[in-house]
Amino acid sequence: DAGVTQSPTHLIKTRGQQVTLRCSPKSGHDTVSWYQQALGQGPQFIFQYYEEEERQRGNFPDRFSGHQFPNYSSELNVNALLLGDSALYLCASSLPGLLADTQYFGPGTRLTVL
Amino acid sequence: SQQGEEDPQALSIQEGENATMNCSYKTSINNLQWYRQNSGRGLVHLILIRSNEREKHSGRLRVTLDTSKKSSSLLITASRAADTASYFCATPVTMEYGNKLVFGAGTILRVKS
Repeated sequence: DAGVTQSPTHLIKTRGQQVTLRCSPKSGHDTVSWYQQALGQGPQFIFQYYEEEERQRGNFPDRFSGHQFPNYSSELNVNALLLGDSALYLCASSLPGLLADTQYFGPGTRLTVL
Repeated sequence: SQQGEEDPQALSIQEGENATMNCSYKTSINNLQWYRQNSGRGLVHLILIRSNEREKHSGRLRVTLDTSKKSSSLLITASRAADTASYFCATPVTMEYGNKLVFGAGTILRVKS
């Protein structure tokens, strides 16, 4: 039973560029959440996708957008990259709705913006 | 803003000793969860304690929850070098379609062999 997978593992971009990160949820999960973790900090919630729609959003600008596909996999897109976007981006999957006590995290994508 | 705050920020112990980490949170909760993160990689779920529970065990882990003080502690007994990691407490915030997790800044644990 595959867990949550993310790609790529590492990514280096320059300011102003755009980046797309990918996530496949754990088998049986249809809800995907994205988190940003800056160095030395705890993860911060970006947004959550369920039934191919963004359901909830954290305090992140519109430069951060996402998508969920019919197979429940998800993408996180960040436009006009800033140095401050350098972080570990974590994807988490869970069972639908309020049944989801536990979220299962992928290994993350380390984004470096130069 | 972060809901939970871990204490201490960093902890260094010898193999075989016990490690205790504390977490405080601000609002009422349904449950509190602890996660481990090795070397800046993905988070591994360790244990969940519900608001009506006071103590929970899982292997060498013991978690306590005091809702009156809005605090929790994680005890790792007989620590091993492999326990070296960052530990985070997280509380779920209920949203319309599910929960988001709010994390503290974490405790960095180093177990020396």
